[in-house]
Amino acid sequence: KQEVTQIPAALSVPEGENLVLNCSFTDSAIYNLQWFRQDPGKGLTSLLLIQSSQREQTSGRLNASLDKSSGRSTLYIAASQPGDSATYLCAVYTGGFKTIFGAGTRLFVKA
Amino acid sequence: GAVVSQHPSRVICKSGTSVKIECRSLDFQATTMFWYRQFPKQSLMLMATSNEGSKATYEQGVEKDKFLINHASLTLSTLTVTSAHPEDSSFYICSAPPTRGGDTQYFGPGTRLTVL
Repeated sequence: KQEVTQIPAALSVPEGENLVLNCSFTDSAIYNLQWFRQDPGKGLTSLLLIQSSQREQTSGRLNASLDKSSGRSTLYIAASQPGDSATYLCAVYTGGFKTIFGAGTRLFVKA
Repeated sequence: GAVVSQHPSRVICKSGTSVKIECRSLDFQATTMFWYRQFPKQSLMLMATSNEGSKATYEQGVEKDKFLINHASLTLSTLTVTSAHPEDSSFYICSAPPTRGGDTQYFGPGTRLTVL
């Protein structure tokens, strides 16, 4: 059974700091891995999608890496801003079209 | 990109009433749609898989008689929370992979249900 774990559960950093969010999964048989952002009381915003054959994806200040063999992914946020404060969810897309989510990392960027 | 919509975005109801939530794929067909539930400060948990033209399949621990799912067309799935109680208050999100194939899903914006 696929399980997705995110560390840390919560993170508070000063503005301008670079940070890394971690995601691990137990079964390497995935189609892709996706990072989402969720603001309080809101839906999901897709940030980056990494196919199983890819190693990383970049969008602006965000960089996501994938090491499928070790079951790990990281989301790197450069020069963090208060507007980056949100919950970041990692999700793996498995066989049977099922998406398994991690519990998320709650990020707070202090001005 | 593909769009999935949900209606309503927010609903407040009295305990004991039933609430219907719609999930629509706006520019693609989806023979399968998924319903997730998210309790406060927790992650999304898959509730059930909605299959067009056939019965939904439910995850372990999800009451099929309480959460009725109907997938009447290739673009619409509905989730009805029957005899809602305060513990059913949650954020419900649907998703759909395009029938034409592909390896991702598109998520709806979610519905916030509050049962008084």
